[in-house]
Amino acid sequence: DTAVSQTPKYLVTQMGNDKSIKCEQNLGHDTMYWYKQDSKKFLKIMFSYNNKELIINETVPNRFSPKSPDKAHLNLHINSLELGDSAVYFCASSRRGLAGADEQFFGPGTRLTVL
Amino acid sequence: KNEVEQSPQNLTAQEGEFITINCSYSVGISALHWLQQHPGGGIVSLFMLSSGKKKHGRLIATINIQEKHSSLHITASHPRDSAVYICAVSNTGNQFYFGTGTSLTVIP
Repeated sequence: DTAVSQTPKYLVTQMGNDKSIKCEQNLGHDTMYWYKQDSKKFLKIMFSYNNKELIINETVPNRFSPKSPDKAHLNLHINSLELGDSAVYFCASSRRGLAGADEQFFGPGTRLTVL
Repeated sequence: KNEVEQSPQNLTAQEGEFITINCSYSVGISALHWLQQHPGGGIVSLFMLSSGKKKHGRLIATINIQEKHSSLHITASHPRDSAVYICAVSNTGNQFYFGTGTSLTVIP
């Protein structure tokens, strides 16, 4: 069974569109995350989220919004897509939050290409 | 300047060699993480440590909190170890900082 899954694996879309990436974890973890890996392979945290707290990286544009229907899911919605949004987006989860210093489990990534 | 610096950026080794990848950080941390990103793109957590040393198979990770430095060692390297190794730190402020990664190629 896949621990952290993401869909779709590839997403190609036009500038200005709105798109969503879905993430699900079956590990029973309390905290989920979204990361962006740019073309230079540099990873950066976008959000961390549990039932109580959403932590947003201040550099993330407000066109990006996480939505969690339940503890096992954290979807990423992106409005008005721009060329610079092209990247690989990774979802991850951990038992507790980052402050709890837990091992992170990553999804396979979603490669977003904005044309 | 990045909060987490890794060296070297690229590393090529012959099969069987002992490999060391270094990581220095400049912020207070609750834990340091070593991640492996396969050529196919998937990311796997190798170690999480806040003190001392951990060993898993041929991989060893050490951390010196006073010096704000960690090393990842691979003994008896193998071509299947070829990947990007990423150092990252987390802190009590729920921040997670990544290094730029070390691309390792092990030649048969």
